[in-house]
Amino acid sequence: EAGVAQSPRYKIIEKRQSVAFWCNPISGHATLYWYQQILGQGPKLLIQFQNNGVVDDSQLPKDRFSAERLKGVDSTLKIQPAKLEDSAVYLCASSLRTSGQGEQYFGPGTRLTVT
Amino acid sequence: AQTVTQSQPEMSVQEAETVTLSCTYDTSENNYYLFWYKQPPSRQMILVIRQEAYKQQNATENRFSVNFQKAAKSFSLKISDSQLGDTAMYFCAFMKHVVRSNFGNEKLTFGTGTRLTIIP
Repeated sequence: EAGVAQSPRYKIIEKRQSVAFWCNPISGHATLYWYQQILGQGPKLLIQFQNNGVVDDSQLPKDRFSAERLKGVDSTLKIQPAKLEDSAVYLCASSLRTSGQGEQYFGPGTRLTVT
Repeated sequence: AQTVTQSQPEMSVQEAETVTLSCTYDTSENNYYLFWYKQPPSRQMILVIRQEAYKQQNATENRFSVNFQKAAKSFSLKISDSQLGDTAMYFCAFMKHVVRSNFGNEKLTFGTGTRLTIIP
């Protein structure tokens, strides 16, 4: 079974530029999560999708971050414009709709550096 | 809101020894799950072990076991016979119990992690 795929693995941009990250969850996983992991901290949930609907985006900085999951499978997270404090690893995770036990499967992450 | 605290930023232990990582949490929930996740250097995060709060028996997975103290809100991870491959960041995480009708609404709250190094 293929795991959660993310691309790119690394990205370096200048502040005020735009960037987009892509995630492909495990086949059949209806729930998809984007986390931000700043160096030295644990992952923090940015947004959670159930199929193509948003379940929780309370911690997403909506003035600069956006995310979509148009067909309930792949997802894209965008930052526009980027700030220095957005430097972090962006993790995508997915879980089964009917798990109810919170087991989330994580992708390798995208390491973003904003200069 | 729930909080998870890991008070040991870094630990190291000799190979084959036993090490215990600490985690405390704060919640007003009665039903919930606790997890330990492992994040090896430059590799993706994987689940190590899960504990349901309603179960009194401590979870075990091969060399990994937990000491779950619900009243004290403590959830430590013990790694026995440590191996070089255990070198990683370890994160403690909390999730509220989700009723069946609301499956798909799980949200993990993570601690800040403990960097564990196994010394050859």
